[in-house]
Amino acid sequence: DIQMTQSPSSVSASVGDRVTITCRASQGISSWLAWYQQKPGKAPKLLIYAASSLQSGVPSRFSGSGSGTDFTLTISSLQPEDFATYYCQQANSFPETFGQGTRLEIK
Amino acid sequence: QVQLQESGPGLVKPSETLSLTCTVSGGSISSYYWSWIRQPAGKGLEWIGRIYTSGSTNYNPSLKSRVTMSVDTSKNQFSLKLSSVTAADTAVYYCARGMIVAVGDAFDIWGQGTMVTVSS
Repeated sequence: DIQMTQSPSSVSASVGDRVTITCRASQGISSWLAWYQQKPGKAPKLLIYAASSLQSGVPSRFSGSGSGTDFTLTISSLQPEDFATYYCQQANSFPETFGQGTRLEIK
Repeated sequence: QVQLQESGPGLVKPSETLSLTCTVSGGSISSYYWSWIRQPAGKGLEWIGRIYTSGSTNYNPSLKSRVTMSVDTSKNQFSLKLSSVTAADTAVYYCARGMIVAVGDAFDIWGQGTMVTVSS
C-alpha cells in the first residue's frame, strides 16, 4: 500500500493567515492526489483533485500543488469557516489511501 | 443535485455480517464508481472498496476476504456487506461517488455517514 504522511498533524493559525499543509507519498503517485476538508460530525468535502484542480464551488483561496511524492495544500487567507481537519488521498493505485489528517485550529 | 443516503443497522453483533445500503437520489447511479469509506471515532479515513454500475469491483486487500459489494441500478442503490465483524469494525461508514481521475478516484459526493457499532 502507498503510505500518505501529512505534516503537521495540527496547526494553529489566525483568521487572515496563510497556511500550508504538506502530504508526502511513500512512492510516486504522479499528480493523482486529492485534498478534503472535514468538519466535526460531517462528511469530508472534496477541495482539490489531480493535485491542483479546484473542485467546483470551492473558494479560490484554496490551492494545491506538487507531483511525484510531495504535495501541498495552501489556504491563502484563512476564514473562520476553514478551521477543520484536512486529509490528502492518493488515487494512483489500489487501495486508495488517505493521510492521517491535519487539524487546523484557531490561534 | 445528487445526494447519497446510507441506511442499515446501527448495531451489529460480533461475528455477524454488517449490511449497509446507499441510495442515490437526484441523479442516475449509472456510469460512475461508488465507494464505501469508513472512519473510526477520532481517527482517519479508510477506503473499503468500490463498485461500478456494471458490477465490477475493487476491494481493499486488508478487507477483501470479508467484503462484498453489489449494485441495483433499478433502485439506484448500492450495498456493502462486511462479514465476521469485530469491535475493530466499529466506525462511521460513508458511501461516496468516485470522480475517476486515474486508476482511482476523487470522491466528489458523500453521504452523511452512518455509525455502526459492533457489540454484543
